Amino acid sequence: QKEVEQDPGPLSVPEGAIVSLNCTYSNSAFQYFMWYRQYSRKGPELLMYTYSSGNKEDGRFTAQVDKSSKYISLFIRDSQPSDSATYLCAMRNNAGNMLTFGGGTRLMVKP
Amino acid sequence: GAVVSQHPSWVICKSGTSVKIECRSLDFQATTMFWYRQFPKQSLMLMATSNEGSKATYEQGVEKDKFLINHASLTLSTLTVTSAHPEDSSFYICSARGGRAGYEQFFGPGTRLTVL
Repeated sequence: QKEVEQDPGPLSVPEGAIVSLNCTYSNSAFQYFMWYRQYSRKGPELLMYTYSSGNKEDGRFTAQVDKSSKYISLFIRDSQPSDSATYLCAMRNNAGNMLTFGGGTRLMVKP
Repeated sequence: GAVVSQHPSWVICKSGTSVKIECRSLDFQATTMFWYRQFPKQSLMLMATSNEGSKATYEQGVEKDKFLINHASLTLSTLTVTSAHPEDSSFYICSARGGRAGYEQFFGPGTRLTVL
């Protein structure tokens, strides 16, 4: 079993829909949680980061962390075709250097 | 967010030659830099981690004599692929940790290496 699990998709939604992207993890030591967006042939772009549990909102994006369930989510409101990309969750513990990534979910927003 | 640049963005070379890729954090000092490799439709694979002024730590299975990493300053790291072969063709992405919170990790745009 992988340390971080993420449904690869593809997830196809109509423009304007609310998108929910999720990751589950097994390592209870993870404290830092991040979401990246990666367009084809480009480097990942940091969208959201959170420390420990709770919610964080930034524009159309909301990140949620539920440490008790070892479950994190990224919500995208009013999705746009330009949101079509692969979304990667990533996390690490306090002491470690290394980010552990999910496999990525490919999102397609259709106009 | 903070900016990480990579150069070149695309390189084609002959088998047996060496290729150097530069990674720079443009507006922050990076305490730690990372090098990843990514194959098509796959997630990122960490190759090595480096701190400024010290030797890089390589992940299991990554040949340190083939993938030379130099982290000369808090804003510059280089990856040299020595004696490149076609199987080294891949997308190489660097990442730098720093930023306002100190634990954010930002990625460069990637370098596409094609070895003929």
